[in-house]
Amino acid sequence: DAKTTQPNSMESNEEEPVHLPCNHSTISGTDYIHWYRQLPSQGPEYVIHGLTSNVNNRMASLAIAEDRKSSTLILHRATLRDAAVYYCILRGFDEKAAGNKLTFGGGTRVLVKP
Amino acid sequence: ETGVTQTPRHLVMGMTNKKSLKCEQHLGHNAMYWYKQSAKKPLELMFVYSLEERVENNSVPSRFSPECPNSSHLFLHLHTLQPEDSALYLCASSRELAPTYEQYFGPGTRLTVT
Repeated sequence: DAKTTQPNSMESNEEEPVHLPCNHSTISGTDYIHWYRQLPSQGPEYVIHGLTSNVNNRMASLAIAEDRKSSTLILHRATLRDAAVYYCILRGFDEKAAGNKLTFGGGTRVLVKP
Repeated sequence: ETGVTQTPRHLVMGMTNKKSLKCEQHLGHNAMYWYKQSAKKPLELMFVYSLEERVENNSVPSRFSPECPNSSHLFLHLHTLQPEDSALYLCASSRELAPTYEQYFGPGTRLTVT
């Protein structure tokens, strides 16, 4: 199974951008790159996902390398509420059961300083 | 509020007890998932259901028994657990099983096995 690698932690100042890298060098052609975050004492929350092209939504941007072996989640202006663990996850099709292949990294703990 | 609820939020049980965790989603989704989150370990996918049919069982011990009576409800029946089974158990749902759809997580059940 494809695996993801993320830094253990990152620090940022409030109102500054945060760039969270994820390496997935063994990604397959049908794997989607999903990002979730988990705030303390809560379940994970969906952030964004993409396949090949860069994606933007109200929460963040996702930049995907041309070879798809890495991606970067961009929080444009970090707030204190963005302090969480961010998970980079690959989701792909499995020949036995479509869409059930999920691979999790250890996540990156983001600390936001006021 | 994600539209996925879990009860109970906290559970303490002895190794000889039998208990059940309940998950309900109010989103009209067709796929539901059970995850285990232990301290300092990545999220582990346990079971996947699509339209009430189990499509994935990731080598989970038989002391964990899932049940999906309809597309809105998911149970995890527990019996003769071990202390190492203490963890946060998360339920999630998605519109369909395909990797193009994001998952919505419940708040989790914090389980302690004594």
